[in-house]
Amino acid sequence: GQQLNQSPQSMFIQEGEDVSMNCTSSSIFNTWLWYKQDPGEGPVLLIALYKAGELTSNGRLTAQFGITRKDSFLNISASIPSDVGIYFCAGQRVRGSSNTGKLIFGQGTTLQVKP
Amino acid sequence: DAGVIQSPRHEVTEMGQEVTLRCKPISGHNSLFWYRQTMMRGLELLIYFNNNVPIDDSGMPEDRFSAKMPNASFSTLKIQPSEPRDSAVYFCASSFLRPHEQYFGPGTRLTVT
Repeated sequence: GQQLNQSPQSMFIQEGEDVSMNCTSSSIFNTWLWYKQDPGEGPVLLIALYKAGELTSNGRLTAQFGITRKDSFLNISASIPSDVGIYFCAGQRVRGSSNTGKLIFGQGTTLQVKP
Repeated sequence: DAGVIQSPRHEVTEMGQEVTLRCKPISGHNSLFWYRQTMMRGLELLIYFNNNVPIDDSGMPEDRFSAKMPNASFSTLKIQPSEPRDSAVYFCASSFLRPHEQYFGPGTRLTVT
C-alpha cells in the first residue's frame, strides 16, 4: 500500500494565487521527486531533489527536500490555468547504496484553477 | 526524439481473455518500469528492468501477470487470464543515468468486463 501521505487531496484556487502542497512519510527517503499528470497522459517529472534541505526551482515551481528526509514540499507561485492537473510526490527509500529507481508515489493533489 | 511509446492506448476485453500491453522505451534508456494506476490504489510499481533484466517484480499482483523485455527497445506486460479487477491504466516508464528520473508513456487504459 501507499507509504506517502500527500496533502491536500484537492485544491480549487483563483488564477494568480500561490499553491502549496506537501508529502510526508514515516520512512526516510534519499530522493524526492514531484510529477504532474495531465488528463489522459502519463506523469511528467517537474523537480528532483537529492539532499536534505535542498531547495530547487523550476520556473514558478519551487520544491524542498525536508531536513528530516521524511517530507517534501511543492509551491507554485502565481498560478495560471495550465497548472491544472494532478501533482504527485514520489520518493526513493534509503536502501544501502543502491540507486534502483524504485519509487513510491503519493496519492496526488488535484489542482483546479479558476480563471 | 520520440518519448515512451505504448500500445494499445485503449483495450477492452472480456474476463478470461489474455491481454498483452506493449512498450517501447526512449532510445538509449536502460531502465524500464511498469506501473498500474487506479483510483483506489494510486500509482503502483509492478516490475522494473535494468539492461533488459528483471530486477524487482515484487509489485506484480499475482501469477496471472508476467512481463518480458527481450531487447532494449521492447517490453510486454501480459495478463492471463484477465479479471475485472485488473481494469486500470497501465504505464510504462524508462530512465537512463538516474533511474528515479523516469519518463512515462501515455498509458494503456484497460477495461475488463
